[in-house]
Amino acid sequence: GEKVEQHESTLSVREGDSAVINCTYTDTASSYFPWYKQEAGKSLHFVIDIRSNVDRKQSQRLIVLLDKKAKRFSLHITATQPEDSAIYFCVARGGSNYKLTFGKGTLLTVTP
Amino acid sequence: DPKIIQKPKYLVAVTGSEKILICEQYLGHNAMYWYRQSAKKPLEFMFSYSYQKLMDNQTASSRFQPQSSKKNHLDLQITALKPDDSATYFCASSQDRNTGQLYFGEGSKLTVL
Repeated sequence: GEKVEQHESTLSVREGDSAVINCTYTDTASSYFPWYKQEAGKSLHFVIDIRSNVDRKQSQRLIVLLDKKAKRFSLHITATQPEDSAIYFCVARGGSNYKLTFGKGTLLTVTP
Repeated sequence: DPKIIQKPKYLVAVTGSEKILICEQYLGHNAMYWYRQSAKKPLEFMFSYSYQKLMDNQTASSRFQPQSSKKNHLDLQITALKPDDSATYFCASSQDRNTGQLYFGEGSKLTVL
């Protein structure tokens, strides 16, 4: 089955800087890659996604890049703010079913 | 207002007992899921249902039994509880099984003593 590796377990940046979280996946047939955010003590919510027919997608300060050849995708948060502090999960949907496989999460801390 | 309601939010159980986690969604979604999050493992997919039918089961143990009495309900019964079952259990839903965006409930944090 699909395996998703999230490379940074923790990441600390200063407010205003950019943060980058990198993930790799194993299933060549995976075609859908969402990201979820979990604030301390709260549930997860969707932030952005990318499908395999594009290699870049932007939503305000969030940019997702997808490199299908390398089976790698990344989340870039520009002009970070303290409220961006949370755990971010990268996710891949396998090609053989609709199951979403989550990475282990990256704890992002944005310091003022 | 929360659109996915999970009950209870916190529960403590003794080893060997049985508990039911409740999940109701008011988003009009056709697919529902259970995920588990513990300190030892990342967010772990357990079950998916579509139109009240079990579609995927990634839980090896039969001690975990999902129950769907209505389209917008997906409860999780756990029997013969073990301390390793301690985790936060998240219910989620999506418009359909092939619609990627999941909406998560607030979770039910289970502690097994």
